[in-house]
Amino acid sequence: DGGITQSPKYLFRKEGQNVTLSCEQNLNHDAMYWYRQDPGQGLRLIYYSQIVNDFQKGDIAEGYSVSREKKESFPLTVTSAQKNPTAFYLCASSIGRLKTQYFGPGTRLLVL
Amino acid sequence: AQSVTQLGSHVSVSEGALVLLRCNYSSSVPPYLFWYVQYPNQGLQLLLKYTSAATLVKGINGFEAEFKKSETSFHLTKPSAHMSDAAEYFCAVSDGSGTASKLTFGTGTRLQVTL
Repeated sequence: DGGITQSPKYLFRKEGQNVTLSCEQNLNHDAMYWYRQDPGQGLRLIYYSQIVNDFQKGDIAEGYSVSREKKESFPLTVTSAQKNPTAFYLCASSIGRLKTQYFGPGTRLLVL
Repeated sequence: AQSVTQLGSHVSVSEGALVLLRCNYSSSVPPYLFWYVQYPNQGLQLLLKYTSAATLVKGINGFEAEFKKSETSFHLTKPSAHMSDAAEYFCAVSDGSGTASKLTFGTGTRLQVTL
């Protein structure tokens, strides 16, 4: 079945630690996105990538980094510079002129 | 810049009653508009989208939305609520430019359905 997978479902971060969230898609979509969701704030765009080896900052990129070495994969690293990382992180992908975004199941990041 | 306003962070309806979730948008170019639904601890699922074809858009699970340019609105409706409709609903707008579609989301409306 085609779709978007995110792992892990839950992730715990210690102070000063970098953690990486995985996002993989087998939909052959060109563009991929990372969003952060906090209660009452909707979704906010962290980074997005239109093609392999290229990505752009979204609205809240500080404290995060990404890579896009393969079309199928768009991992997100939450660095120690992100002082308030506790949130629900959603990955999405899109293709074509209408550019509808399809979402993965999400990763919940908690700080120990 | 684009923006989306969803009036009412919480809406409660009785089972069988009309569901109306409000969405107003701001966009400098003809927009693409979307409604997504999110169940607890899950990702977002596309309900329906407007892409400049018919102004009345039908989606999954009996939902529909009407694009009204004069009112800059894209309200979501369902004639008869079901208990399974209880979830959070997000309206989003895109200007459709470029290869990637940057979506701007509203803050969401949590729908409660009571017996």
